[in-house]
Amino acid sequence: EPEVTQTPSHQVTQMGQEVILRCVPISNHLYFYWYRQILGQKVEFLVSFYNNEISEKSEIFDDQFSVERPDGSNFTLKIRSTKLEDSAMYFCASSADRGPGTEAFFGQGTRLTVV
Amino acid sequence: GENVEQHPSTLSVQEGDSAVIKCTYSDSASNYFPWYKQELGKGPQLIIDIRSNVGEKKDQRIAVTLNKTAKHFSLHITETQPEDSAVYFCAASRVLSNQFYFGTGTSLTVIP
Repeated sequence: EPEVTQTPSHQVTQMGQEVILRCVPISNHLYFYWYRQILGQKVEFLVSFYNNEISEKSEIFDDQFSVERPDGSNFTLKIRSTKLEDSAMYFCASSADRGPGTEAFFGQGTRLTVV
Repeated sequence: GENVEQHPSTLSVQEGDSAVIKCTYSDSASNYFPWYKQELGKGPQLIIDIRSNVGEKKDQRIAVTLNKTAKHFSLHITETQPEDSAVYFCAASRVLSNQFYFGTGTSLTVIP
């Protein structure tokens, strides 16, 4: 069964450092997403990406965040200068289409710890 | 924006009993309500979903109900089994958007 894969599974970084979280979406999917979950809180939407551009983003997704699809398979989330409050589980997801009834497939997540 | 509330946060049931998880939402424009199951070390997986033009949907032991007027929806698991133990998330989204608003999750434990 096709799946979304994320690397690394756990990333520890020092405050102020840049991190790149990587995702390989399902190969024939067109829409890509990043969500995060701070420990004990809700899963929160960060950004959606389609046709090589951001289609939606939340207020969390500020100038410190960027996304990129550098080649035909990878989808990355970059945090330029990490803060302690960026520590969270980051989930990548992809879907074949958008709108109600379209299943989004989630990866297993990358746990980011900022120290 | 949308606000999804979910309860209970933890739920323990005996194997074979039923489990019910409830969610409410605030945005009347939301029209798609998926439920996700997250097992330890894995990402959320869709188990069932419902659209706003349907009041109930069933898939084997799992069912979801939606009350648009009251803005709440529920997940029902019958004849629970130990492998149903996981964290369950409800979510809501609007037309032409895949921005899901998630509930806080319910940790379900099925006791053999």
